[in-house]
Amino acid sequence: QVQLQESGPGLVKPSETLSLTCTVSGYSISSGYYWGWIRQPPGKGLEWIGSIYHSGSTYYNPSLKSRVTISVDTSKNQFSLKLSSVTAADTAVYYCARDNYGLPAPSFDPWGQGTLVTVSS
Amino acid sequence: QTVVTQEPSLTVSPGGTVTLTCASSAGAVTSGNYPNWFQQKPGQAPRALIYSTSNKHSWTPARFSGSLLGGKAALTLSGVQPEDEAEYYCLLFYGGARVFGGGTKLTVL
Repeated sequence: QVQLQESGPGLVKPSETLSLTCTVSGYSISSGYYWGWIRQPPGKGLEWIGSIYHSGSTYYNPSLKSRVTISVDTSKNQFSLKLSSVTAADTAVYYCARDNYGLPAPSFDPWGQGTLVTVSS
Repeated sequence: QTVVTQEPSLTVSPGGTVTLTCASSAGAVTSGNYPNWFQQKPGQAPRALIYSTSNKHSWTPARFSGSLLGGKAALTLSGVQPEDEAEYYCLLFYGGARVFGGGTKLTVL
């Protein structure tokens, strides 16, 4: 079955760039679908960050758009998130998920287990 | 930016029925917003329950159902079990944008 796994540094300094990678197994990214990033600050709700199509076209959350870049590497079956100029407010568990937008019945599934990123000096 | 609103908290007795709703600041929620519902328990990743208004995943218990109700998306739990105590999130699609609701903490008491 399709599985997703987030990876990247668990600690990032303020003003630096947060970088995470999601590795997909059980499905070839180049075959289709959107692939998304979602985050959840401690004790708070879910926030969609953005999604990328296998071809590279992207949708971003307007509130984060100026700082976010999502890219895809089909050769590694991975997609990545970069969030620049981070502050403590960017501390969160970051999830990746398959974003089935474009299908007749869009869904957001499956999800990775999530990775906690803390922004602190 | 569109805001999606859910009840912050609800309480239900075991065996009872409860309906969670999901409203949009952009107007009535329609099937074109493809409402999705997720369950999240402490320390776990969200688990998809309902997609595109009323479709269930293969693992979704039969007691969960999705619908549109009075201009909102709705998630109804019938015959609530203690293990249904969790946070529930809705997700709406607005063309290329996706917006999560703030979540409903469901207590089974």
